[in-house]
Amino acid sequence: EDQVTQSPEALRLQEGESSSLNCSYTVSGLRGLFWYRQDPGKGPEFLFTLYSAGEEKEKERLKATLTKKESFLHITAPKPEDSATYLCAVQPWGSNTGKLIFGQGTTLQVKP
Amino acid sequence: KAGVTQTPRYLIKTRGQQVTLSCSPISGHRSVSWYQQTPGQGLQFLFEYFSETQRNKGNFPGRFSGRQFSNSRSEMNVSTLELGDSALYLCASSLSEYEQFFGPGTRLTVL
Repeated sequence: EDQVTQSPEALRLQEGESSSLNCSYTVSGLRGLFWYRQDPGKGPEFLFTLYSAGEEKEKERLKATLTKKESFLHITAPKPEDSATYLCAVQPWGSNTGKLIFGQGTTLQVKP
Repeated sequence: KAGVTQTPRYLIKTRGQQVTLSCSPISGHRSVSWYQQTPGQGLQFLFEYFSETQRNKGNFPGRFSGRQFSNSRSEMNVSTLELGDSALYLCASSLSEYEQFFGPGTRLTVL
């Protein structure tokens, strides 16, 4: 069964303290892996799509990487405005539709 | 460019009632997917529509249904509401089968 597991469930950082969020997945074949950010009471905001092992993408203080079994979201020198829940999702290969399988998310709190 | 819009933003219903939620995708996007988000189960896929046809369906009972119109706008319907249907219902649109862009969601509370 296709499955996505994110860790840790919650993470507290001091402003400027870099860290990484983990997303491990089990799928028969990976078509794409997605990272989203979700603020309370809002819909998920698209961050990155990764397609193949070794791929990396960056946006401001965020960098996403992908291996054959997991993805990492690295946060460099975070600021309080980076506080949010970060969601990882996979699209299995062979799925020619928009079905995404989501992890439970990591809730990040950055204190000033 | 306008994003995905969902109406209404909040709904309160009682058990046994039915509800219809609406989603307008980003202009030019033909695929619309629906998800249910709850604290316990997280984000779960309900169904996807493309060019007025349901392309895929998640593991939800038949009380959950949807449709898409020729202008790509989509509606989902939940009949015979149960307490467990209380959730944030999210709509996402995409130009291709890859990147999906989410709306703000409709918060449904069933009393």
